[in-house]
Amino acid sequence: DTEVTQTPKHLVMGMTNKKSLKCEQHMGHRAMYWYKQKAKKPPELMFVYSYEKLSINESVPSRFSPECPNSSLLNLHLHALQPEDSALYLCASSQDRGGWSGYTFGSGTRLTVV
Amino acid sequence: GNSVTQMEGPVTLSEEAFLTINCTYTATGYPSLFWYVQYPGEGLQLLLKATKADDKGSNKGFEATYRKETTSFHLEKGSVQVSDSAVYFCAPLMNAGNMLTFGGGTRLMVKP
Repeated sequence: DTEVTQTPKHLVMGMTNKKSLKCEQHMGHRAMYWYKQKAKKPPELMFVYSYEKLSINESVPSRFSPECPNSSLLNLHLHALQPEDSALYLCASSQDRGGWSGYTFGSGTRLTVV
Repeated sequence: GNSVTQMEGPVTLSEEAFLTINCTYTATGYPSLFWYVQYPGEGLQLLLKATKADDKGSNKGFEATYRKETTSFHLEKGSVQVSDSAVYFCAPLMNAGNMLTFGGGTRLMVKP
């Protein structure tokens, strides 16, 4: 298995909703990442997990809450989002935090906040 | 600080034309260099990489050479196809913090 799987592919949520994005990989990678990508922009790093511990939080608002239950799973819990949070959310993984062999990205969850 | 600059798009070419997408970076030390491609409606895929000076990364007919003296990693392809239409991101892996830094992306449109 050489993929990063993200679910759901599309999500529409209201500003008072609570939802979660899920990411899974079975490549034995020990670093996992959440990126946010707005239309026609490059991905922006949100969080980095290394060996299931949060190692980088790029000053992301607390309405985004990451969780890494085990080495294969990464979740992003969403609560009280704003319309400007609408974007493509990408999960990625790498063998270790060095990432020298490159990152493997999932296809993303397209989130719309209404 | 660390940064990466890509040529702005869109780049519009006819099928079988030659492609160059420029990428330059500033960094302390010598980063590993990557090109990622994003097809419409999809996530990013690693296209090629180079980890040290003068290395040439290649994949699917695309090539890029790590030029330390000019801090560049330009992407080239000799004959593009319609299926190459996508957004291409240059991404140095900076030594400090070991995080990918994405360029702004260059949209390529190939017409039949």
